[in-house]
Amino acid sequence: AQTVTQSQPEMSVQEAETVTLSCTYDTSENNYYLFWYKQPPSRQMILVIRQEAYKQQNATENRFSVNFQKAAKSFSLKISDSQLGDTAMYFCAFMKHLNAGNMLTFGGGTRLMVKP
Amino acid sequence: NAGVTQTPKFRILKIGQSMTLQCTQDMNHNYMYWYRQDPGMGLKLIYYSVGAGITDKGEVPNGYNVSRSTTEDFPLRLELAAPSQTSVYFCASSKIQVQIYGYTFGSGTRLTVV
Repeated sequence: AQTVTQSQPEMSVQEAETVTLSCTYDTSENNYYLFWYKQPPSRQMILVIRQEAYKQQNATENRFSVNFQKAAKSFSLKISDSQLGDTAMYFCAFMKHLNAGNMLTFGGGTRLMVKP
Repeated sequence: NAGVTQTPKFRILKIGQSMTLQCTQDMNHNYMYWYRQDPGMGLKLIYYSVGAGITDKGEVPNGYNVSRSTTEDFPLRLELAAPSQTSVYFCASSKIQVQIYGYTFGSGTRLTVV
């Protein structure tokens, strides 16, 4: 079974600065997919960014980018120019390739506070 | 386009009571899921379905049941509620190409068992 670990329960950052959230995972699979989800106080889960394990290039979505280190089984999220609206819980998630149910395994989350 | 709709948003149950959490999606997604999120924790999979008439257990299925009679609906049934089932419940759905689109989540149901 896969496990996903987010070692930082809480983090804070000043508005306009950059912050990096950590995620590590344990798998014996070679092909898989990784995701970051954001959960603001509204409780809605929002997909932030995704990465295919077979792609070496790190994914980028506007102010959000990842540092994917396959050998180290690490998938960190970098948020640049942090905004107050980035305050949320962030969850890292893993999915095996050719997974019959397309099931995601989630980490425990990191609570991010952006301070004005 | 409503996406994934969950009802109710909040509910308080007494120990031993039963209830059904409703989930419906209007995106014609094949896959549907129920997760629970305990305070300060990540999401754990309860049950999932790959299509109408097909369901399977996830990581934490005990105390729950599901059915999938239509593509749109995936209700979660709690029988004999226990305090350990106090949690926030999320329903989600996805296209087959979940690696591209990820899941679409409902807004959650906060359930308290007292």
